[in-house]
Amino acid sequence: DQQVKQNSPSLSVQEGRISILNCDYTNSMFDYFLWYKKYPAEGPTFLISISSIKDKNEDGRFTVFLNKSAKHLSLHIVPSQPGDSAVYFCAVSRGNEKLTFGTGTRLTIIP
Amino acid sequence: SQTIHQWPATLVQPVGSPLSLECTVEGTSNPNLYWYRQAAGRGLQLLFYSVGIGQISSEVPQNLSASRPQDRQFILSSKKLLLSDSGFYLCAWSVIPVGYGYTFGSGTRLTVV
Repeated sequence: DQQVKQNSPSLSVQEGRISILNCDYTNSMFDYFLWYKKYPAEGPTFLISISSIKDKNEDGRFTVFLNKSAKHLSLHIVPSQPGDSAVYFCAVSRGNEKLTFGTGTRLTIIP
Repeated sequence: SQTIHQWPATLVQPVGSPLSLECTVEGTSNPNLYWYRQAAGRGLQLLFYSVGIGQISSEVPQNLSASRPQDRQFILSSKKLLLSDSGFYLCAWSVIPVGYGYTFGSGTRLTVV
């Protein structure tokens, strides 16, 4: 039973354009949502997060949107840069319970 | 500041050999500790987590075990490795509330041959 889904295993975007990564979850009780970025042979690094009391959080080129009614989370990267090429994982949690990660989306930025 | 150390970075082991991967955290007390595996082309699979010394929870039945002999030390072990144990192993730590996220180590690439 997958509680967190990233339905696009891969995504290619032209440099300078917007990258949109999507994540769907099933449990409306989740209250904290995060995005991690992972380069090959390295551990994931925290990118940006949002709590359930907000619907948008912005940090530089990265914006996370939360649609609670649709149980949908998205990460927007604009403008996309070659260094953004990586695997992106969404993660969710409820209270003090452990994070549940999505399956990841491999983003490739085309120069 | 808090740091997490994980070693070795790469490991090639024959089938049937034992395994010991170690992870230590500095700069925090009583962290939650986690072992994840990323198999080729797949997402992050939680293997074990620990909320305190000697307290280990297993998420999936498998050929591996975990131990936490000290507050900031987490060890992943196997008595006899299988080919299917190959993958990228990640240690992570977090504090309460967990929603603030995990900090991951740099990972160990294990190849069982």
